[in-house]
Amino acid sequence: GQNIDQPTEMTATEGAIVQINCTYQTSGFNGLFWYQQHAGEAPTFLSYNVLDGLEEKGRFSSFLSRSKGYSYLLLKELQMKDSASYLCAVGGPSGNTGKLIFGQGTTLQVKP
Amino acid sequence: DTAVSQTPKYLVTQMGNDKSIKCEQNLGHDTMYWYKQDSKKFLKIMFSYNNKELIINETVPNRFSPKSPDKAHLNLHINSLELGDSAVYFCASSAPPGREQFFGPGTRLTVL
Repeated sequence: GQNIDQPTEMTATEGAIVQINCTYQTSGFNGLFWYQQHAGEAPTFLSYNVLDGLEEKGRFSSFLSRSKGYSYLLLKELQMKDSASYLCAVGGPSGNTGKLIFGQGTTLQVKP
Repeated sequence: DTAVSQTPKYLVTQMGNDKSIKCEQNLGHDTMYWYKQDSKKFLKIMFSYNNKELIINETVPNRFSPKSPDKAHLNLHINSLELGDSAVYFCASSAPPGREQFFGPGTRLTVL
C-alpha cells in the first residue's frame, strides 16, 4: 500500500527554525519531493532527495533516510511569507512514470 | 513568460453538464499531468502523458477523459458532472518523468 504521514499543522515564530517530518511506506521509491503551497496558489517545488543525506538550498534543507522511510524539511530564519502548506511527495512506484504520491500536507503558521 | 497555464481559472456549472479544462506549457517538457485537489487539500494524480502517450491512468471515473494534441498541451474533458467533482484541478509538467514538476495556477471547479 501507499502511506505518507506528516503533521497536519505546525506553528512557529518569525526568525526561528522549524522541522517538518514526513514518514512514508510506498511500494516503490523514485525520490522524495517537498513542495510549498500558499493558500489559493499552485504548489511550487522546493527540494528533491533520492540518496540518503541532507540537501541544502538557502534557508531550506531536506533530509532523507531511505532505510527508515523518513524525511524532514528544515526551514531556518523563518519569515512571515513562509506561512504555507508544505507537501511531502514520494515518486513511485516502479517504472519511474513521474507519478507522485502526496501526503496530506503540513500547514505552517509563522507568527511575529 | 515561461510557465504552465490553465483555462479557465474558475468554472461554475450545473450537475450533468460537460466541461473542458485546457492546459498549455511552454517549458519544452515532455511529460504533463492532471491532479485533483479536494477540499481537504489532498493532491492526487489522475493522468499523465509523455510525448502524447498516456502513461498514468489512475482509478478515475471514465467520465474524465484527457487528450493531448501535442506535447505542449493536455486537456481534460469531464462528462456528466457530479457534485463530488467539485475541486481544484492542477495541470503540471516535467522534463523527464520523475523530476520536479511545475504546476499551473489551477482551475477551481464548482458543480451546483
